[in-house]
Amino acid sequence: GAGVSQSPSNKVTEKGKDVELRCDPISGHTALYWYRQSLGQGLEFLIYFQGNSAPDKSGLPSDRFSAERTGGSVSTLTIQRTQQEDSAVYLCASSSNRGPYNEQFFGPGTRLTVL
Amino acid sequence: AQTVTQSQPEMSVQEAETVTLSCTYDTSENNYYLFWYKQPPSRQMILVIRQEAYKQQNATENRFSVNFQKAAKSFSLKISDSQLGDTAMYFCAFMKLQGAQKLVFGQGTRLTINP
Repeated sequence: GAGVSQSPSNKVTEKGKDVELRCDPISGHTALYWYRQSLGQGLEFLIYFQGNSAPDKSGLPSDRFSAERTGGSVSTLTIQRTQQEDSAVYLCASSSNRGPYNEQFFGPGTRLTVL
Repeated sequence: AQTVTQSQPEMSVQEAETVTLSCTYDTSENNYYLFWYKQPPSRQMILVIRQEAYKQQNATENRFSVNFQKAAKSFSLKISDSQLGDTAMYFCAFMKLQGAQKLVFGQGTRLTINP
């Protein structure tokens, strides 16, 4: 595809349920990032994947959050036992990592609402 | 750790006017990148302009320019001849040159261009 895609666009869930958010990066991009944007706030880094290297999970807020990237392409962010404070827009970005600077291209995000 | 601060939560100007958005940051790094991103209501993050810290010359992209003051750790965005389509959230962001290259964002400035 032409850009980064994310699904679903919007997700409403009940407190305590698990959710999965999907990111399809730009074809050929080896780096993939997840960010969270809470209401009225800037984006905060969650996790970073680069090729076959171990992911940088330093931004995950709790052990209820996990992510995987299968085959070096599609990534899934999973939130277990969702809480109301998990409500936010979750943005994914990918980059090519071919030079000293690698522009991150963002998807449209998934708006998660936990009731 | 790096921090980015945007002290103007909201700004509003008339069409065709010039507006300046402020950003300060804190880092012990010497080499890094700074960015301004635009986020319209569609949620899509769009890169507006980029500045490499090792370059003294301020970056310019058409109507958008920056005032980069490395010693003061200041990085403001100037929008000339503002247009209605410039209405959006604007985020200042920092990226280290080495490592995961994750973006550190400010809280954002909501800019409204009035007709």
